[in-house]
Amino acid sequence: GIQVEQSPPDLILQEGANSTLRCNFSDSVNNLQWFHQNPWGQLINLFYIPSGTKQNGRLSATTVATERYSLLYISSSQTTDSGVYFCAGRTMTTDSWGKFQFGAGTQVVVTP
Amino acid sequence: DVKVTQSSRYLVKRTGEKVFLECVQDMDHENMFWYRQDPGLGLRLIYFSYDVKMKEKGDIPEGYSVSREKKERFSLILESASTNQTSMYLCASSPGGLEETQYFGPGTRLLVL
Repeated sequence: GIQVEQSPPDLILQEGANSTLRCNFSDSVNNLQWFHQNPWGQLINLFYIPSGTKQNGRLSATTVATERYSLLYISSSQTTDSGVYFCAGRTMTTDSWGKFQFGAGTQVVVTP
Repeated sequence: DVKVTQSSRYLVKRTGEKVFLECVQDMDHENMFWYRQDPGLGLRLIYFSYDVKMKEKGDIPEGYSVSREKKERFSLILESASTNQTSMYLCASSPGGLEETQYFGPGTRLLVL
């Protein structure tokens, strides 16, 4: 399967700051998702973004599939943004269906 | 809203015990998944199912089996629990077809002593 590398591994932000999280893939991906895991362990789907740019409130994501990366932007961060952010992708080969590969995550702490 | 529930939030078992983890989704989703999450490793796929009674191995199926007798329910079975199966177990579902957005349950933290 594809390798997924997320950077940075850890991020400490002051409330109100902006930040960019990156996800690199070892091969082209046709399906990509971003998730937020809150401090209680619940994973929430933020974006399903195989290509292009999407925005949802203070969060936006951009995927450039041909260059094998995706970016997640957090603007005007709030303490509720704390948690771990994961990206996951898979290639569009028949034997990869259902097999999303997750990165190790970026741990974000937003301080008041 | 999609709701995915898991039978236990915390579970403590002894080595050699048979362990059942249950997952139920209420949105008529075709696909269901079991992952385990370990620090520094992200989530790794154990098994998934795209239909009732159908299952596919993920990346780390050894030591696990699954059962999907009804569309809404997907069970993960540890036939003989071992200490290296201590982990967080996460269940997810997705609608099916071209729609692959995954929705996760709250997770089960399993400790095998």
